[in-house]
Parts: sequence; structure tokens; C-alpha cells
Amino acid sequence: EIVLTQSPGTLSLSPGERATLSCRASQSVSSSYLAWYQQKPGQAPRLLIYGASSRATGIPDRFSGSGSGTDFTLTISRLEPEDFAVYYCQQYGSSRYTFGQGTKLEIK
Amino acid sequence: EVQLVESGGVVVQPGGSLRLSCAASGFTFDDYTMHWVRQAPGKGLEWVSLISWDGGSTYYADSVKGRFTISRDNSKNSLYLQMNSLRTEDTALYYCAKDDGDGYNLDYWGQGTLVTVSS
Repeated sequence: EIVLTQSPGTLSLSPGERATLSCRASQSVSSSYLAWYQQKPGQAPRLLIYGASSRATGIPDRFSGSGSGTDFTLTISRLEPEDFAVYYCQQYGSSRYTFGQGTKLEIK
Repeated sequence: EVQLVESGGVVVQPGGSLRLSCAASGFTFDDYTMHWVRQAPGKGLEWVSLISWDGGSTYYADSVKGRFTISRDNSKNSLYLQMNSLRTEDTALYYCAKDDGDGYNLDYWGQGTLVTVSS
């Protein structure tokens, strides 16, 4: 089973700053199979990025994804107040899905 | 508008059984694979199970294999999760989620139903 490790666990930034979140896989993952989700308190997760770098429907272009192999990154170019949330990466393999443990993005 | 509404979550004793339901609307239900994902209180997301569009293929996380059974009724636009031999570690918010069609991502989620396993 592929394990996804996200870092940092918590990221403290101010609105307007740039956020860089990391997701590292224990084995190589096809870029097609890597996604990012956002979850706000009391809400269901929302798909942000699929295929490592494609934005889901309605996702603002300040969100971008990149990476390949075992290292993937979610970047938020300029933080808005509504972006403070928990972010999860997720991979698909052999009809199984695994999530990273999450990165909490908090207001500094 | 895609809507997924889960129901059936309650407090149940260890060893007990429970059936969760998910009512889907706003899309052609029988075109899509569907999933269950759970989140223990204060914890991260754990994928539980999926079922193909026609119910012909099902997959489970190792943590629930042999205890949980996923099913669907396309005539009722409904997804189900039969949960048997429940353990305290099954306590979680259970989300129903729609596959995006590619088979790799979950593009719509319900609000979840809470299952508490406790004596």
C-alpha cells in the first residue's frame, strides 16, 4: 500500500501570502492518480486538483498543483481568508484509495 | 445540482450492525462509481469502499473487508453500506462520494452521517 506523507502538519501564514504544501508518496504514483482536497470545519471535503495539476470545476486559479513520481505540491499563490482549512492529498492504485494525513493551513 | 444525502448513523454497541444509506440526485446515478469514505473524530480521511456503476465490482479497505458490504439500487438512486461486527474504531463520520468518472477522484461528497460504536 502506498503511504502519503504531507508536510508540514500545520502551516501558519497571513492572507496575501503564498502557501506551499507538500505530499510525498512511499512509492512512485502516476500523476493521473494524484488529487488534492480542501476541508473546512464542519464541511465535507471538496475536490481542488486532480491529475496532479488540473483544477476541478469552479476552483480559482490561485490554486495550482505540480509534481511527479513521489513528490507533489499544492500551491496557493495569494491566500484569501476562505483558504484557511485542512488540505489532503489522495492517490489511487489497484482499486484502492489512500489519503495523506492532512496539512492544516491556519491564519498567523 | 449534485446532491448526496446520507442517513442511518446512530449509536450502536460493539459487535452490532448498521445500514447506512445515501440518496443521490442531480446526476445520472447509474453512470458512476460510488464510494464511502469515513473520518474519525478529529482525524483524517479514510477510504472505505467503492462500487461500480452496475454493482458488478466492489472493493474494500483492509480495515473493513469481511465486515462491511457496499451495494446500490440504481432504480432508487441510492447507495448503501451494510456494517456488521462493528468495532469502536469504526466510530466516524461516514461520507458518500461520487466518482468523477475517471475512477481516480471523488468530485462530490455528501455531508456525512455519524456512526458511534460504544457500549
